[in-house]
Amino acid sequence: DTGVSQDPRHKITKRGQNVTFRCDPISEHNRLYWYRQTLGQGPEFLTYFQNEAQLEKSRLLSDRFSAERPKGSFSTLEIQRTEQGDSAMYLCASSLARQGAGNEQFFGPGTRLTVL
Amino acid sequence: GNSVTQMEGPVTLSEEAFLTINCTYTATGYPSLFWYVQYPGEGLQLLLKATKADDKGSNKGFEATYRKETTSFHLEKGSVQVSDSAVYFCALRPREDSSYKLIFGSGTRLLVRP
Repeated sequence: DTGVSQDPRHKITKRGQNVTFRCDPISEHNRLYWYRQTLGQGPEFLTYFQNEAQLEKSRLLSDRFSAERPKGSFSTLEIQRTEQGDSAMYLCASSLARQGAGNEQFFGPGTRLTVL
Repeated sequence: GNSVTQMEGPVTLSEEAFLTINCTYTATGYPSLFWYVQYPGEGLQLLLKATKADDKGSNKGFEATYRKETTSFHLEKGSVQVSDSAVYFCALRPREDSSYKLIFGSGTRLLVRP
C-alpha cells in the first residue's frame, strides 16, 4: 500500500445528477478526512471519521452531502442533486491518530468534480 | 476563530534565487503549524512542520520557524530549483481540537524559471 487513493480522478456531471466518490486510505490508518478545494483556494475541512464513526461534519456539508466509512476502511462521499457550486477538487486524507506526536495527514490525489 | 493568511502569488523567481513565502495565523492557544506542497496533478505532501514556539521545521532545503510573537511561520529556501515550482500551502492545527483537522491558507504558487 503506497498511499491514499481516490476514484475517480475526474468526474463531469450535469446539474441535478448524483455522484459518488471513493477514497481508500493507508491501510493501518484509523482516521479519514474529506476536504474540498475550490480554484485558487486552500482545502476546507468537510468531515472526518475515526474508524467507522463519523465524528464531525462542517457547516459546509449541506444535507445533499453524505459520507460513509462502513467498515472503517474505505470511504465514500456522495453528493445528491449536484449544483454548479459543487464544482471543486474533493480531497481525502488519512492518519493514524495517537496520543502525542505525529497524526500526520497523508493526502490522496483528489477527485476533480465539474458540474455542467 | 482560527485562520491562516498567505501572501498572494504567483511568486516568480529565477533558479538559485532566495525564496520567502509569508504566512501569518490567527488561533486560540498554540496551534501546530505546517507547510504542504502540491505539485501539478498530485496530492498535497507535507513539507515541514513545527509544533511549538521557536521550533524550526526543515526539509529538502526549506525552513520555517514558529514565531509566536509575530504569529508567523514564513517559508524560506536559500536557492530554489525549477523542480520547486508548485503551490505551497500554510496550515494550522488547533491544539485543543481533538479532530486534528487542518485549516489551510489559500496557497501561493511558485514558478521557478531556469
